[in-house]
Amino acid sequence: ETGVTQSPTHLIKTRGQQVTLRCSSQSGHNTVSWYQQALGQGPQFIFQYYREEENGRGNFPPRFSGLQFPNYSSELNVNALELDDSALYLCASSTGLAGGGSTDTQYFGPGTRLTVL
Amino acid sequence: AQKITQTQPGMFVQEKEAVTLDCTYDTSDPSYGLFWYKQPSSGEMIFLIYQGSYDQQNATEGRYSLNFQKARKSANLVISASQLGDSAMYFCAMREGWAGGTSYGKLTFGQGTILTVHP
Repeated sequence: ETGVTQSPTHLIKTRGQQVTLRCSSQSGHNTVSWYQQALGQGPQFIFQYYREEENGRGNFPPRFSGLQFPNYSSELNVNALELDDSALYLCASSTGLAGGGSTDTQYFGPGTRLTVL
Repeated sequence: AQKITQTQPGMFVQEKEAVTLDCTYDTSDPSYGLFWYKQPSSGEMIFLIYQGSYDQQNATEGRYSLNFQKARKSANLVISASQLGDSAMYFCAMREGWAGGTSYGKLTFGQGTILTVHP
């Protein structure tokens, strides 16, 4: 177990609604990344938060937004849900090496499975 | 262009035998890291092994080793002495040292390989 937790485990919403997913990072980690994994695909990077600021974003529209709190936990918010938003949402925490670096290993939580009807 | 390519959608191996899962990558960044993750049916991504682009030796972690061939841009995962519990989806991923712009921090994943271990 990584120590990264996510809630809720499963969620069912209808098109047009808004959803908030939550993630608690592993102790000692100050960086949280969010990924979307559609069925049968590899995860796609949504964004990353480092010390409460967004410092990287993938090709996702602005209706995907996030927050990181002083205790380094994080939220992913999705507005105006679409059917294609149905996916497993994974949160990963890491130490966030200052100045970048390719060695920052990300440890994942169990995911939240979102179904949009 | 695909940055991470896993050409084997599915692999089968007999228990206690070794298996190699293929991964090729594409980057112009001289500093990058390569990762392998295991994803059981429960969904959680489990970190297995890491190889840095400047590492001289191939990474090893218990029964996992990474066959890193930099010139060929390949980073194959070798699992020795397969166990029934190794049955899962396996993902190769890359993080570039300085992706720049707005994609900093990004792990790029391949499509995955489903490994089935037979008793």
